[in-house]
Parts: sequence; structure tokens; C-alpha cells
Amino acid sequence: AQSVTQLDSQVPVFEEAPVELRCNYSSSVSVYLFWYVQYPNQGLQLLLKYLSGSTLVKGINGFEAEFNKSQTSFHLRKPSVHISDTAEYFCAVSGDGGSEKLVFGKGTKLTVNP
Amino acid sequence: DVKVTQSSRYLVKRTGEKVFLECVQDMDHENMFWYRQDPGLGLRLIYFSYDVKMKEKGDIPEGYSVSREKKERFSLILESASTNQTSMYLCASSSLGSGVYEQYFGPGTRLTVT
Repeated sequence: AQSVTQLDSQVPVFEEAPVELRCNYSSSVSVYLFWYVQYPNQGLQLLLKYLSGSTLVKGINGFEAEFNKSQTSFHLRKPSVHISDTAEYFCAVSGDGGSEKLVFGKGTKLTVNP
Repeated sequence: DVKVTQSSRYLVKRTGEKVFLECVQDMDHENMFWYRQDPGLGLRLIYFSYDVKMKEKGDIPEGYSVSREKKERFSLILESASTNQTSMYLCASSSLGSGVYEQYFGPGTRLTVT
């Protein structure tokens, strides 16, 4: 069965610093990959997704992620973070064979300090 | 604008009560999901439905049931609420037609069972 590992449960950074949130998944078959963001007391919102093609995916709010098939990773990056990026970030992968279900990581709480 | 709504943002119930959580989507999506979210555990799938009157167990169905009588509405039922069901409950939907299964989330219901 699919699994997703988010290597850091909490990441504190200073405003305008770069950030990388790490995500590894278990599958060796073709998958779809997603990053979601959850602001305090809200539901999840899609940041970006990888379906196929270019391994560098750009999303909303200046975030991007790179799909690395050999390392089964899909790390999320932003070159300069803002206070408003403080949120929890979830990596997700489609189920085996591209099923309707998504498997989520446990989340990474990003805190941007002034 | 796509929308998934949940009947309550906050709910307080007593142990042993029957609890209904309602979710409605306006996107004509075939698939609907119920998750619970707990700190450090990420999102865990309780049940999902891929069509009216169809349902499938997720990873943690014990103590829950669901109902889908209309395409746009998916209800989560706690037959006899217990304190260990205190959690954030998130509803999501996705489209079979997209082939990608990107999920759209509601704002969540924070349920407290006392």
C-alpha cells in the first residue's frame, strides 16, 4: 500500500528566508502527487499537483515542487517566505493504480517568524 | 467557484448521543470523502462514496457510518459518540471525469464529545 512520509513535523523559518518541506512516497508505479495547505481553522486548499511531464511544478503563492522519480520525492520549496505562509502543509499521493483515494502525509507545520 | 460546505464549524455533543455531520458539494462530483484530522496523525480516511448509495470503508471506519442518498450530499453518522471521537472532521469531493482525483475540501467541523 502507498505511504507518504513528511520528514519534518515542524519547520520554523524567518521571514524572507527560503524554505523546503520534504516529502517522500513509497510507490514505484506511476502516481499523481499533490501538496495541500491548511491555514488555521480552515479546510485544505490545493497548492500544486504533479500529473506528468515537467518535473518542476509551479503552484499558487510562489510555491514550487520538484518530482524526483529515482528518489521517490516531491519536495516543496519557496525562495522567500512571508508571515502569511504560516500554515500546515500536507503532501499526498494518489492510491495504487491512480485510484480515487489519496494517501496523505502527517503534515508539516511551517511557522514564519518576523 | 467550487464549493464544499459542512453543516457546522463547531459542535459539542455528549457521550452516547447520535451525531450527524453533513457535507454538500455543488460541483456535481461523483466521489465524496470523510476524514478525521488529529494532531500528529494527519488525515485519516473514514469512509468514501463513489456514487449515490455506494460507500466504501476507509482506514478507520469503526464507530462511524455514512449515508449518500443524493449525489451532492454525504453524511457522516456517529451512532453513539465517544470522547475518543473528539476531532476535526473534513469532507472532500472529487470528480471521476477529471481522471486525476484532485480533492476539494470543506472548512471542517470541530467536534467535541464531552
